[in-house]
Amino acid sequence: GAGVSQSPSNKVTEKGKDVELRCDPISGHTALYWYRQSLGQGLEFLIYFQGNSAPDKSGLPSDRFSAERTGGSVSTLTIQRTQQEDSAVYLCASSPGQGGSAFFGQGTRLTVV
Amino acid sequence: EDQVTQSPEALRLQEGESSSLNCSYTVSGLRGLFWYRQDPGKGPEFLFTLYSAGEEKEKERLKATLTKKESFLHITAPKPEDSATYLCAVQALGTYKYIFGTGTRLKVLA
Repeated sequence: GAGVSQSPSNKVTEKGKDVELRCDPISGHTALYWYRQSLGQGLEFLIYFQGNSAPDKSGLPSDRFSAERTGGSVSTLTIQRTQQEDSAVYLCASSPGQGGSAFFGQGTRLTVV
Repeated sequence: EDQVTQSPEALRLQEGESSSLNCSYTVSGLRGLFWYRQDPGKGPEFLFTLYSAGEEKEKERLKATLTKKESFLHITAPKPEDSATYLCAVQALGTYKYIFGTGTRLKVLA
């Protein structure tokens, strides 16, 4: 596609439920990133993929968070047993290779009630 | 620790009133510095990449410059449509994650 696509755009879930967020990067981009942006806060790094491997998972806040990438393309961020503090906008970005400019999707707004 | 600080936090300008936004950074070695624009409810939109001190990039009313310690985003004769949050990020050598500042919220009044 022309840009990074994320789905769903909005998700409301009950506390304790699991959620999956999807990211379709720009075609041919080998690097993929997940970030979290809480209200009024800066972008918080979660995880970086190069191809299907995740050499940097240092930003995942707890073991309730996991991510995978398949076929060097689509990525899924899974949050298990959601908590209210998980409410935020989850942003995905891709770049052509290691280093260089990253391009962001529109984000998934997650609300845990 | 790698760090990015942006100032001011918020800025109100009259249409046509030029100004500059600051991004100070501390990294062990700079791979690149990036400027983004973010509108409410949207993802960040890429503006510029700068790689070395002395480098400058321009796009319409925006010009980004880089020194060894900071970057400036100069806005010349801004228009109301330039109102947005401007984000600065760095990528350090030895890592590929982007470290973001908290942004400058710019409001341009007609």
